[in-house]
Amino acid sequence: DAMVIQNPRYQVTQFGKPVTLSCSQTLNHNVMYWYQQKSSQAPKLLFHYYDKDFNNEADTPDNFQSRRPNTSFCFLDIRSPGLGDAAMYLCATSAPGQPVYFGPGTRLTVL
Amino acid sequence: KNEVEQSPQNLTAQEGEFITINCSYSVGISALHWLQQHPGGGIVSLFMLSSGKKKHGRLIATINIQEKHSSLHITASHPRDSAVYICAGQNYGGSQGNLIFGKGTKLSVKP
Repeated sequence: DAMVIQNPRYQVTQFGKPVTLSCSQTLNHNVMYWYQQKSSQAPKLLFHYYDKDFNNEADTPDNFQSRRPNTSFCFLDIRSPGLGDAAMYLCATSAPGQPVYFGPGTRLTVL
Repeated sequence: KNEVEQSPQNLTAQEGEFITINCSYSVGISALHWLQQHPGGGIVSLFMLSSGKKKHGRLIATINIQEKHSSLHITASHPRDSAVYICAGQNYGGSQGNLIFGKGTKLSVKP
């Protein structure tokens, strides 16, 4: 049974057209992360939530926003996607003492 | 110098060979994760270690806290083991458990 679900798995958008990626979890973990992974690179943390507390990484562009309406769901909004934002976006969850669980990722293509 | 270093970066093996991937870290961590990522795919958590050794099927992971070193072993390797294996450190007290990733080891198992 999938524990971290990401939708859609593949997203194609046009340059500058806003896009929202979603993540849901059935683990009741209090921490949720959004990572950006470009080809052959390690995932890069964009931001994370500890419960409702939002933590933005210092180098995450303002173009990226996030919402967490409840424990189970977390959204990544890209307000004006550029060509450089094409990547795999990974959602992950964790709790102290628990493994980190990753979703399958959403591959974003920007035309 | 990265806080989490893996070796080798690339590894090619023949089916059936015993494989070892090494990970050294220079920061204090609460747990060490071994992750697997198939080409174009999401990330799967293989192990989370705080001490000692864990085994799952043909995979074995060990950690030496004093030496800040961990190894991932694959016995009787198979072509389906071909993937990138990533070592990541997690500190519960830091950025709420954000992962510090190694650069990954790309494993190719030939039939």
